Order: sequence, then structure tokens, then C-alpha cells
Amino acid sequence: TQLLEQSPQFLSIQEGENLTVYCNSSSVFSSLQWYRQEPGEGPVLLVTVVTGGEVKKLKRLTFQFGDARKDSSLHITAAQTGDTGLYLCAGALGRGGSNYKLTFGKGTLLTVNP
Amino acid sequence: DAGITQSPRYKITETGRQVTLMCHQTWSHSYMFWYRQDLGHGLRLIYYSAAADITDKGEVPDGYVVSRSKTENFPLTLESATRSQTSVYFCASRTGYYSTDTQYFGPGTRLTVL
Repeated sequence: TQLLEQSPQFLSIQEGENLTVYCNSSSVFSSLQWYRQEPGEGPVLLVTVVTGGEVKKLKRLTFQFGDARKDSSLHITAAQTGDTGLYLCAGALGRGGSNYKLTFGKGTLLTVNP
Repeated sequence: DAGITQSPRYKITETGRQVTLMCHQTWSHSYMFWYRQDLGHGLRLIYYSAAADITDKGEVPDGYVVSRSKTENFPLTLESATRSQTSVYFCASRTGYYSTDTQYFGPGTRLTVL
């Protein structure tokens, strides 16, 4: 059973469209991160959210952490071809000694077509 | 250049052979990690190290050995490679103990076991 479920798995859209990808769990996370990974490269951290209900913006990307800290969403406004990549969410369970471990979702593969 | 590097980037080996994947970081981060990325599973933690000579198992440690004699290096050894270890391996280092600290990934090593 996957601790973090990401949806959709695949998304293909046209440049200029808006989109939202989701990261859901039945567990409560102390923090959640979003990464973007391009082909042949390692994931790159986009944002970290730690407070339930928190919203963070990074240019055209808006990240939200659910009130109960069990889910998160990433919304991209006016997608560009440069947004193409694999989007991963990763969460940390618990506090103290177990807080160092990140559990990753399987990712959403986004393709933005010109 | 500062950063985290992995070598080799591509490796083909045969079942039963020993393989060592190298990871080097120039930031002097205490915390380092090895992950494997497989279709259908996402990123899974193999081993973790909090400092030189301190290592701990992650989610999928069987068949792997790590060492950390120097802060900057964290090699991963497959003692007797199996086909199920065909994967893309990512090394990562982190600025601090907590999952909210920024984690940086290397470019990955694509390993094929025939």
C-alpha cells in the first residue's frame, strides 16, 4: 500500500492551460515537500509546507497543505513547456527521531505541449 | 564546482558481480541518503547516514552495503548484484537533520544488471 497517492499519474495539456495535481494520504504528515524531476536528472525541491492550511506560491505554482495535514495540491497557472517534468510529493511522518525520513509518492508525469 | 556528484552515470553489470556506486558532495552536509527509483514504486530509501561512520537502514536495504569514512563520500555497494537491483539510484545530501531541511539530489546512476 502506497502511503502517498498522487493523481493523476499522467497529465498532458496544452501550453496556457491550468492544472492541479494531488497528493493524498490517510496518514498525518508533519511536513510535506514537492519536487520536480526532469529526465536524466535528480529531483529538485520546489517547496516545503509544514502548517495545516498553508498556501505557498512560487511564481505560477501554488501549493496547498490540507487543513488536516493529510493531503496537498499543486496548481499551475498558464502552464509553459518548461513546466514539463515529473512532480513528486514527499512527506515526513511523526516527530523527533522519525522526522528525518521522507516518504515519496510515485509522481505525476506532466507534459505541456506547445 | 560545489554540489553533489555521482559516478558512474551508467553501469551495466552481470548477476553476481559486486558493484560500487559513488557519491560525493562538496557542502560538508552531515546527512546523506541513497534512494532507488523504479517505475511503479517511486523513490525508496535504501540507506541513510547522519555523519561519518554512522549509517542506518531505510525501507529497502537488503543486498546493499554502505560506508561513510569521510563526510563528503557515501558509496553504495551491491555485494552480489541481482536483476531486481536494476534501477536508477540517487544519492542525496541534506543541510540538517529534519525533513524540512533542504535535500539536494545527485544526477543519478542508471544501473542495469543482466
